[in-house]
Amino acid sequence: KQEVTQIPAALSVPEGENLVLNCSFTDSAIYNLQWFRQDPGKGLTSLLLIQSSQREQTSGRLNASLDKSSGRSTLYIAASQPGDSATYLCAVDTGTASKLTFGTGTRLQVTL
Amino acid sequence: DTGVSQNPRHKITKRGQNVTFRCDPISEHNRLYWYRQTLGQGPEFLTYFQNEAQLEKSRLLSDRFSAERPKGSFSTLEIQRTEQGDSAMYLCASSITGATGELFFGEGSRLTVL
Repeated sequence: KQEVTQIPAALSVPEGENLVLNCSFTDSAIYNLQWFRQDPGKGLTSLLLIQSSQREQTSGRLNASLDKSSGRSTLYIAASQPGDSATYLCAVDTGTASKLTFGTGTRLQVTL
Repeated sequence: DTGVSQNPRHKITKRGQNVTFRCDPISEHNRLYWYRQTLGQGPEFLTYFQNEAQLEKSRLLSDRFSAERPKGSFSTLEIQRTEQGDSAMYLCASSITGATGELFFGEGSRLTVL
């Protein structure tokens, strides 16, 4: 059974810092991995999707990497801003009709 | 493209009542998923449809839960005889078969059972 772990559970950083969020998964036989953002009481916004054959994806200040063999992914956020404050969720797709297994998320707070 | 739409956004009900949530996926998406998220946890898969066919149901989906997707368009999730443990955010997502596998989520429907 696939299990996804995200560390740390919560993180507070001052504005402008670069930061890394970590995601690990137990079964390396994945189809893809997605990073999502969730604001309090809201739905999920897709940030980046990495296919199993890819090593990284970039979108603006966000960069996600994937090391499938070691079961790890990282989300790098450059020059953090208060608007980045949210919960970041990692999810893996084992290829069974895009049925995602989620981690419990990292709650990020970027302070002024 | 208006994205995935869910209604109602919030529902407060008394224990034992029935509730129904609706999801309208992105128009060209043939796959539709329901997830449940409790406070402080990641979403958990409940069920998914490909067109109008319900292809998989999680063990989390007790017999009080039923989902439909008539004509392969919108979907409804009904919970009968609600219990306090049903209180959660119910999230709908959609995707296209054969594409990247990326899921697009709606804003969710929050259920509070008193």
